[in-house]
Amino acid sequence: DAGITQSPRHKVTETGTPVTLRCHQTENHRYMYWYRQDPGHGLRLIHYSYGVKDTDKGEVSDGYSVSRSKTEDFLLTLESATSSQTSVYFCAISEGPSQETQYFGPGTRLLVL
Amino acid sequence: GQSLEQPSEVTAVEGAIVQINCTYQTSGFYGLSWYQQHDGGAPTFLSYNALDGLEETGRFSSFLSRSDSYGYLLLQELQMKDSASYFCAQGNQGGKLIFGQGTELSVKP
Repeated sequence: DAGITQSPRHKVTETGTPVTLRCHQTENHRYMYWYRQDPGHGLRLIHYSYGVKDTDKGEVSDGYSVSRSKTEDFLLTLESATSSQTSVYFCAISEGPSQETQYFGPGTRLLVL
Repeated sequence: GQSLEQPSEVTAVEGAIVQINCTYQTSGFYGLSWYQQHDGGAPTFLSYNALDGLEETGRFSSFLSRSDSYGYLLLQELQMKDSASYFCAQGNQGGKLIFGQGTELSVKP
């Protein structure tokens, strides 16, 4: 299995509070991704990174920011959490720009009350 | 935005063959991937097609027809452990994947 960890694995927070999720990899892969998964919507890309300090928006980026200061870490921040951001968040990595294989982390379950 | 269409659920019996179809939009298309996800777990990569034709990996095969904007995942000799959700994902230039909403496969004894 690819070395990807996510922290925390579970979090309950209140509306309006900031939340940061961390993705850590030991594979030295260049590309990292944040997805959210909700019933009926499959996996939707929030943001992705194609290198240190190089990031871009996905299809559902509003309300989220990311940072990547090191190859191994990709942080997702909800500046002011809302109930609509209750979801399961998955981090993924890939070795190159090709799309055939992304390796996913175990996920973070976030509940915003 | 782009979207992929796949059936929401499929049921089959142990030992049978099942085909999960996926249609996609052609704009910026680069290739079609398939992922498996067991309940509560991380998605795992199964197969990828960039060119027309069939790719076989053990009991699983994936097919792509670019002219029809269509692909499918074929699962043979179904086992109970194959019960899971299966996602097709369209790869576009720039490394992004757009996922379908998933097909929940139930394998019955």
